[in-house]
Amino acid sequence: AQTVTQSQPEMSVQEAETVTLSCTYDTSENNYYLFWYKQPPSRQMILVIRQEAYKQQNATENRFSVNFQKAAKSFSLKISDSQLGDTAMYFCAFMNYNTDKLIFGTGTRLQVFP
Amino acid sequence: NAGVTQTPKFQVLKTGQSMTLQCAQDMNHEYMSWYRQDPGMGLRLIHYSVGAGITDQGEVPNGYNVSRSTTEDFPLRLLSAAPSQTSVYFCASSYSGLSFSGLAGVNGELFFGEGSRLTVL
Repeated sequence: AQTVTQSQPEMSVQEAETVTLSCTYDTSENNYYLFWYKQPPSRQMILVIRQEAYKQQNATENRFSVNFQKAAKSFSLKISDSQLGDTAMYFCAFMNYNTDKLIFGTGTRLQVFP
Repeated sequence: NAGVTQTPKFQVLKTGQSMTLQCAQDMNHEYMSWYRQDPGMGLRLIHYSVGAGITDQGEVPNGYNVSRSTTEDFPLRLLSAAPSQTSVYFCASSYSGLSFSGLAGVNGELFFGEGSRLTVL
């Protein structure tokens, strides 16, 4: 069974600084997708970034980028120029290529301070 | 745009009572799913559906039933509520099966409802 581990329950960063959230996963599959979702206090989940395992290039979305290390099964999220609106719970998620089951980690609560 | 709508947003039940959490989407999404969110556990998949008439179990299906008679609706039923089912429940949908979405190059993004907080006493 696949598992997703987020070892940092809480993180904090000052506004305009950079922060990295860690995620590791365990799978015997070779083809899969990885995601980072954001859950602000409003509770609604929002997709932040997506990475296909077959792509060597790390995905980027504006201030958000990932460091995907397939051999190490690591998928960290870097937030540059942190903003107060980035305060949220961040979930790493994994999905095998030919399934429809999205498996989430336990989340990291990020607090951005002014 | 309504997106994914969940009702009710809050519900208190007594042990043994039954209830249905409703989920509706107006985006013509084929894929729909239910998750529960518990402190320290993240989100866990309960059931999912890749189209009308098709459902399958997720990680934690016990105690829950689902059906998919239309593309728009995917209700989650608790037949005999237990305190262990106290949680926040999220419904989510996607354009098509997530795997198909990925193969087709579509984003594969899940669209979530706002959640339903259920307390079982």
